[in-house]
Amino acid sequence: DVKVTQSSRYLVKRTGEKVFLECVQDMDHENMFWYRQDPGLGLRLIYFSYDVKMKEKGDIPEGYSVSREKKERFSLILESASTNQTSMYLCASSLVSGTGNLCGYTFGSGTRLTVV
Amino acid sequence: AQTVTQSQPEMSVQEAETVTLSCTYDTSESDYYLFWYKQPPSRQMILVIRQEAYKQQNATENRFSVNFQKAAKSFSLKISDSQLGDAAMYFCAYRSANSGNTPLVFGKGTRLSVIA
Repeated sequence: DVKVTQSSRYLVKRTGEKVFLECVQDMDHENMFWYRQDPGLGLRLIYFSYDVKMKEKGDIPEGYSVSREKKERFSLILESASTNQTSMYLCASSLVSGTGNLCGYTFGSGTRLTVV
Repeated sequence: AQTVTQSQPEMSVQEAETVTLSCTYDTSESDYYLFWYKQPPSRQMILVIRQEAYKQQNATENRFSVNFQKAAKSFSLKISDSQLGDAAMYFCAYRSANSGNTPLVFGKGTRLSVIA
Protein backbone atom coordinates (compact mmCIF):
# COMPACT_ATOMS: atom_id res chain seq x y z
CA ASP A 1 0.00 0.00 0.00
CA VAL A 2 1.03 3.55 -0.66
CA LYS A 3 2.12 5.27 2.47
CA VAL A 4 2.24 8.98 3.11
CA THR A 5 4.03 9.91 6.30
CA GLN A 6 3.82 13.25 8.04
CA SER A 7 6.62 13.76 10.48
CA SER A 8 4.58 15.13 13.39
CA ARG A 9 1.09 14.36 14.57
CA TYR A 10 0.94 17.31 16.99
CA LEU A 11 3.07 20.42 16.99
CA VAL A 12 3.08 23.52 19.16
CA LYS A 13 5.07 26.54 18.00
CA ARG A 14 5.45 30.13 19.05
CA THR A 15 4.37 33.14 17.03
CA GLY A 16 7.14 34.24 14.69
CA GLU A 17 8.90 30.89 14.56
CA LYS A 18 9.83 29.30 11.26
CA VAL A 19 7.99 25.99 11.04
CA PHE A 20 8.70 23.02 8.80
CA LEU A 21 6.08 20.35 8.15
CA GLU A 22 7.51 17.31 6.41
CA CYS A 23 5.73 14.81 4.20
CA VAL A 24 7.21 11.69 2.62
CA GLN A 25 5.56 9.20 0.26
CA ASP A 26 6.96 5.85 -0.75
CA MET A 27 5.23 5.00 -4.02
CA ASP A 28 6.91 7.21 -6.57
CA HIS A 29 3.89 9.48 -6.98
CA GLU A 30 4.44 12.50 -9.18
CA ASN A 31 1.96 14.80 -7.47
CA MET A 32 2.04 15.99 -3.89
CA PHE A 33 -0.28 18.39 -2.12
CA TRP A 34 -0.63 20.38 1.08
CA TYR A 35 -4.08 21.24 2.43
CA ARG A 36 -5.22 22.84 5.62
CA GLN A 37 -8.43 21.69 7.24
CA ASP A 38 -10.53 23.95 9.43
CA PRO A 39 -14.01 23.31 10.89
CA GLY A 40 -16.72 24.50 8.55
CA LEU A 41 -14.24 25.29 5.78
CA GLY A 42 -13.32 21.82 4.61
CA LEU A 43 -9.97 21.24 2.95
CA ARG A 44 -8.30 24.20 1.31
CA LEU A 45 -5.32 23.79 -0.99
CA ILE A 46 -2.16 25.63 0.02
CA TYR A 47 0.40 24.42 -2.52
CA PHE A 48 0.97 21.47 -4.76
CA SER A 49 3.83 20.05 -6.76
CA TYR A 50 3.76 17.88 -9.85
CA ASP A 51 7.49 17.28 -10.13
CA VAL A 52 10.75 17.78 -8.32
CA LYS A 53 11.52 21.47 -7.84
CA MET A 54 8.13 22.39 -9.31
CA LYS A 55 5.42 24.06 -7.27
CA GLU A 56 2.08 25.68 -7.86
CA LYS A 57 0.10 27.96 -5.59
CA GLY A 58 -3.22 26.75 -4.38
CA ASP A 59 -6.11 28.77 -3.02
CA ILE A 60 -4.46 30.03 0.17
CA PRO A 61 -0.66 30.26 -0.30
CA GLU A 62 -0.12 33.44 1.68
CA GLY A 63 2.22 32.95 4.62
CA TYR A 64 3.44 29.58 3.33
CA SER A 65 6.14 28.26 1.06
CA VAL A 66 7.09 24.76 -0.05
CA SER A 67 10.10 22.77 -1.07
CA ARG A 68 10.41 19.65 -3.16
CA GLU A 69 14.03 18.71 -3.64
CA LYS A 70 13.33 14.99 -3.97
CA LYS A 71 10.37 13.24 -5.52
CA GLU A 72 9.33 11.53 -2.32
CA ARG A 73 9.46 14.55 -0.01
CA PHE A 74 7.33 17.68 0.04
CA SER A 75 7.86 20.21 2.80
CA LEU A 76 5.53 22.97 3.90
CA ILE A 77 7.19 26.00 5.47
CA LEU A 78 5.58 28.64 7.61
CA GLU A 79 8.04 31.48 7.31
CA SER A 80 6.83 33.29 10.43
CA ALA A 81 4.10 31.39 12.21
CA SER A 82 1.02 33.28 13.25
CA THR A 83 -1.94 32.30 15.41
CA ASN A 84 -4.25 32.23 12.39
CA GLN A 85 -2.17 29.38 11.02
CA THR A 86 -3.31 27.15 13.85
CA SER A 87 -4.95 24.32 11.94
CA MET A 88 -4.82 20.73 10.79
CA TYR A 89 -2.43 20.24 7.89
CA LEU A 90 -2.91 17.33 5.53
CA CYS A 91 -0.41 16.10 2.98
CA ALA A 92 -1.46 13.92 0.05
CA SER A 93 0.06 12.34 -3.00
CA SER A 94 -1.24 10.91 -6.26
CA LEU A 95 -0.27 9.61 -9.61
CA VAL A 96 -0.83 11.80 -12.63
CA SER A 97 -4.44 11.37 -13.70
CA GLY A 98 -5.13 9.99 -17.12
CA THR A 99 -2.56 7.23 -16.82
CA GLY A 100 -5.16 4.53 -16.49
CA ASN A 101 -6.14 5.18 -12.93
CA LEU A 102 -8.74 7.34 -11.27
CA CYS A 103 -6.10 9.24 -9.36
CA GLY A 104 -7.58 9.70 -5.97
CA TYR A 105 -5.25 10.85 -3.28
CA THR A 106 -3.44 8.96 -0.58
CA PHE A 107 -3.34 11.08 2.54
CA GLY A 108 -1.04 11.34 5.49
CA SER A 109 -2.56 11.24 8.95
CA GLY A 110 -2.30 14.98 9.43
CA THR A 111 -0.38 17.38 11.63
CA ARG A 112 -2.33 19.42 14.13
CA LEU A 113 -0.38 22.63 14.50
CA THR A 114 -1.03 25.08 17.32
CA VAL A 115 0.65 28.47 17.20
CA VAL A 116 0.73 30.25 20.54
CA ALA B 1 -13.15 27.28 -11.24
CA GLN B 2 -14.91 24.19 -10.07
CA THR B 3 -16.79 24.20 -6.79
CA VAL B 4 -18.20 21.41 -4.67
CA THR B 5 -21.13 21.95 -2.32
CA GLN B 6 -22.21 19.71 0.52
CA SER B 7 -25.39 21.24 1.84
CA GLN B 8 -25.67 19.12 5.00
CA PRO B 9 -23.09 20.07 7.64
CA GLU B 10 -24.37 17.31 9.93
CA MET B 11 -26.45 14.18 9.53
CA SER B 12 -27.44 11.36 11.82
CA VAL B 13 -28.68 7.84 11.18
CA GLN B 14 -29.84 4.94 13.29
CA GLU B 15 -27.67 1.88 13.24
CA ALA B 16 -28.72 -0.53 10.45
CA GLU B 17 -30.65 2.19 8.62
CA THR B 18 -29.81 3.89 5.33
CA VAL B 19 -28.58 7.45 4.93
CA THR B 20 -27.85 9.61 1.89
CA LEU B 21 -25.30 12.41 1.86
CA SER B 22 -25.72 15.09 -0.76
CA CYS B 23 -23.11 16.63 -3.01
CA THR B 24 -23.43 18.97 -5.95
CA TYR B 25 -20.70 20.46 -8.06
CA ASP B 26 -20.25 23.14 -10.63
CA THR B 27 -18.13 22.60 -13.71
CA SER B 28 -18.09 23.33 -17.42
CA GLU B 29 -16.00 20.25 -18.15
CA SER B 30 -17.33 17.01 -19.51
CA ASP B 31 -14.60 14.68 -18.32
CA TYR B 32 -13.79 14.45 -14.63
CA TYR B 33 -13.66 12.21 -11.58
CA LEU B 34 -15.71 12.35 -8.41
CA PHE B 35 -14.80 10.94 -5.03
CA TRP B 36 -16.15 10.44 -1.54
CA TYR B 37 -13.63 10.40 1.29
CA LYS B 38 -14.24 9.43 4.89
CA GLN B 39 -12.34 10.96 7.82
CA PRO B 40 -12.92 9.13 11.12
CA PRO B 41 -11.77 10.52 14.48
CA SER B 42 -8.34 9.02 13.78
CA ARG B 43 -8.04 11.78 11.11
CA GLN B 44 -6.86 9.37 8.42
CA MET B 45 -8.66 10.20 5.18
CA ILE B 46 -9.93 7.06 3.50
CA LEU B 47 -11.23 6.78 -0.05
CA VAL B 48 -14.76 5.41 0.07
CA ILE B 49 -15.83 5.38 -3.55
CA ARG B 50 -15.06 7.02 -6.88
CA GLN B 51 -16.81 7.62 -10.16
CA GLU B 52 -15.69 8.47 -13.66
CA ALA B 53 -17.95 11.03 -15.29
CA TYR B 54 -18.14 9.19 -18.61
CA LYS B 55 -19.56 6.10 -16.93
CA GLN B 56 -23.32 6.10 -16.61
CA GLN B 57 -23.36 3.19 -14.21
CA ASN B 58 -23.30 4.23 -10.58
CA ALA B 59 -20.31 3.02 -8.58
CA THR B 60 -20.87 0.60 -5.69
CA GLU B 61 -18.53 -0.59 -2.96
CA ASN B 62 -20.20 -3.01 -0.56
CA ARG B 63 -22.61 -0.94 1.57
CA PHE B 64 -21.65 2.30 -0.18
CA SER B 65 -23.18 3.41 -3.45
CA VAL B 66 -23.54 6.65 -5.33
CA ASN B 67 -26.29 8.28 -7.31
CA PHE B 68 -24.48 10.12 -10.08
CA GLN B 69 -26.66 12.51 -12.04
CA LYS B 70 -24.36 14.18 -14.56
CA ALA B 71 -26.90 16.57 -16.03
CA ALA B 72 -27.91 17.75 -12.58
CA LYS B 73 -24.26 17.78 -11.42
CA SER B 74 -25.17 15.74 -8.40
CA PHE B 75 -23.18 12.98 -6.71
CA SER B 76 -24.85 11.67 -3.57
CA LEU B 77 -23.52 8.90 -1.34
CA LYS B 78 -25.82 6.24 0.06
CA ILE B 79 -24.73 4.20 3.05
CA SER B 80 -26.82 1.12 3.64
CA ASP B 81 -27.03 -0.88 6.88
CA SER B 82 -25.19 1.88 8.75
CA GLN B 83 -22.66 0.77 11.33
CA LEU B 84 -21.13 2.58 14.29
CA GLY B 85 -17.83 2.62 12.42
CA ASP B 86 -19.39 4.73 9.68
CA ALA B 87 -19.45 7.73 12.01
CA ALA B 88 -17.05 10.23 10.47
CA MET B 89 -16.67 13.37 8.38
CA TYR B 90 -17.44 12.69 4.75
CA PHE B 91 -15.98 14.83 1.99
CA CYS B 92 -17.08 14.96 -1.61
CA ALA B 93 -14.36 15.86 -4.11
CA TYR B 94 -13.95 16.67 -7.79
CA ARG B 95 -10.95 16.28 -10.05
CA SER B 96 -10.64 17.40 -13.64
CA ALA B 97 -9.51 14.81 -16.16
CA ASN B 98 -8.31 17.44 -18.60
CA SER B 99 -4.90 17.83 -17.04
CA GLY B 100 -2.91 15.17 -15.27
CA ASN B 101 -1.90 17.40 -12.42
CA THR B 102 -4.98 19.24 -11.29
CA PRO B 103 -5.73 19.04 -7.58
CA LEU B 104 -8.88 17.70 -5.99
CA VAL B 105 -11.49 20.27 -5.04
CA PHE B 106 -13.27 19.37 -1.82
CA GLY B 107 -16.61 20.24 -0.34
CA LYS B 108 -16.82 21.46 3.24
CA GLY B 109 -17.83 18.08 4.55
CA THR B 110 -20.76 16.39 6.27
CA ARG B 111 -20.39 15.04 9.79
CA LEU B 112 -22.27 11.76 10.09
CA SER B 113 -23.31 10.44 13.48
CA VAL B 114 -24.54 6.87 13.90
CA ILE B 115 -26.95 6.24 16.76
CA ALA B 116 -26.93 2.85 18.40
